[in-house]
Amino acid sequence: AQSVAQPEDQVNVAEGNPLTVKCTYSVSGNPYLFWYVQYPNRGLQFLLKYITGDNLVKGSYGFEAEFNKSQTSFHLKKPSALVSDSALYFCAVRDWGGSARQLTFGSGTQLTVLP
Amino acid sequence: GAGVSQSPSNKVTEKGKDVELRCDPISGHTALYWYRQSLGQGLEFLIYFQGNSAPDKSGLPSDRFSAERTGGSVSTLTIQRTQQEDSAVYLCASSLGDRGNYGYTFGSGTRLTVV
Repeated sequence: AQSVAQPEDQVNVAEGNPLTVKCTYSVSGNPYLFWYVQYPNRGLQFLLKYITGDNLVKGSYGFEAEFNKSQTSFHLKKPSALVSDSALYFCAVRDWGGSARQLTFGSGTQLTVLP
Repeated sequence: GAGVSQSPSNKVTEKGKDVELRCDPISGHTALYWYRQSLGQGLEFLIYFQGNSAPDKSGLPSDRFSAERTGGSVSTLTIQRTQQEDSAVYLCASSLGDRGNYGYTFGSGTRLTVV
């Protein structure tokens, strides 16, 4: 089975400060990992993904995420937050060797960047 | 089309009525997914279509829910005898295929309210 946890429902950060949105996963094999962002009344938009290779993945809008196999984590980061980054963020996983053909999503983390 | 199109964007229905939700995926995308997003919840997988293969219906919450995909393109999610707990945003996504490294493109969703 595959699962993902986002331990924080809400993250607040001041504009210009670094931000981190946490994600941990559980798979029986190796993971494909994704981050998506959802703005109000919109569908989810792809930010970045980890498939193989370099553990540090860079994505859209200056976001990056670090794959840590020993800690089974894939935290989303940005060096300097913008007010416009305020949105709902979802982490998702799929097990390479599993039977599931779909992504499993976390419960989401609401990021608020304060001016 | 350029993106995943869902209709209607909003639907209010009376308890006990049937509803149909439509998804038009990106042309050439063989994989299509339906998810449900309830208030304060993550994304709940409902059903998955890949090409002409039999769909994976393992996420459908009850036999009141069904979906079809005609000609490998447009999909319709049908909810019979709607209940108040069916109120949610229903999201459709499509992908180039079901390989795990393919990301999804999401539609903007249908907000269903059962009164």
